[in-house]
Amino acid sequence: NAGVTQTPKFQVLKTGQSMTLQCAQDMNHEYMSWYRQDPGMGLRLIHYSVGAGITDQGEVPNGYNVSRSTTEDFPLRLLSAAPSQTSVYFCASNDRVVGYTFGSGTRLTVV
Amino acid sequence: AQSVTQPDIHITVSEGASLELRCNYSYGATPYLFWYVQSPGQGLQLLLKYFSGDTLVQGIKGFEAEFKRSQSSFNLRKPSVHWSDAAEYFCAVQGGKLIFGQGTELSVKP
Repeated sequence: NAGVTQTPKFQVLKTGQSMTLQCAQDMNHEYMSWYRQDPGMGLRLIHYSVGAGITDQGEVPNGYNVSRSTTEDFPLRLLSAAPSQTSVYFCASNDRVVGYTFGSGTRLTVV
Repeated sequence: AQSVTQPDIHITVSEGASLELRCNYSYGATPYLFWYVQSPGQGLQLLLKYFSGDTLVQGIKGFEAEFKRSQSSFNLRKPSVHWSDAAEYFCAVQGGKLIFGQGTELSVKP
């Protein structure tokens, strides 16, 4: 049982490049979410999904895009990376019994 | 809208001393409340959670937290801190979404 798997673990991008952060869970959780973590700001919610085909914005959605075509996968897309998006990104899935399960994070640097 | 405030950005305590980390939340109904710990370069580990019932919640590693509805608080406590407790601690509130506080960094003096 892998839980929540995030790839890649580390990534360096140039300003303006695009990329997709992958997140997959094998617990059949309906609810998934993406956070970014920055020093002194805690974890801030970017986007979340309450089930396949349904997504919504969190606290800091600008510059990010998501889709949820399956229950298992919830990729986060950066269409045109900016230095302000340098951060550590965490994906999480949730159900009412288990609670939240977090991935191990993706450390992204935009130069 | 739900929100969480952790008033202390950084706390230093001596090893063996007691610890209290403050957390205040804003939410219209009774929320689910959590404390997480994060060591440098690591992911998040759940220390404890409050859903309902007894307002004093026991967690892992000897931590406990008390939910006080009248004060909208969920403070984390430990009677005797160990050097290995040095880490960053996050309080979080779940209404529809899980929202985190800014975090409190704990340093432990030998």
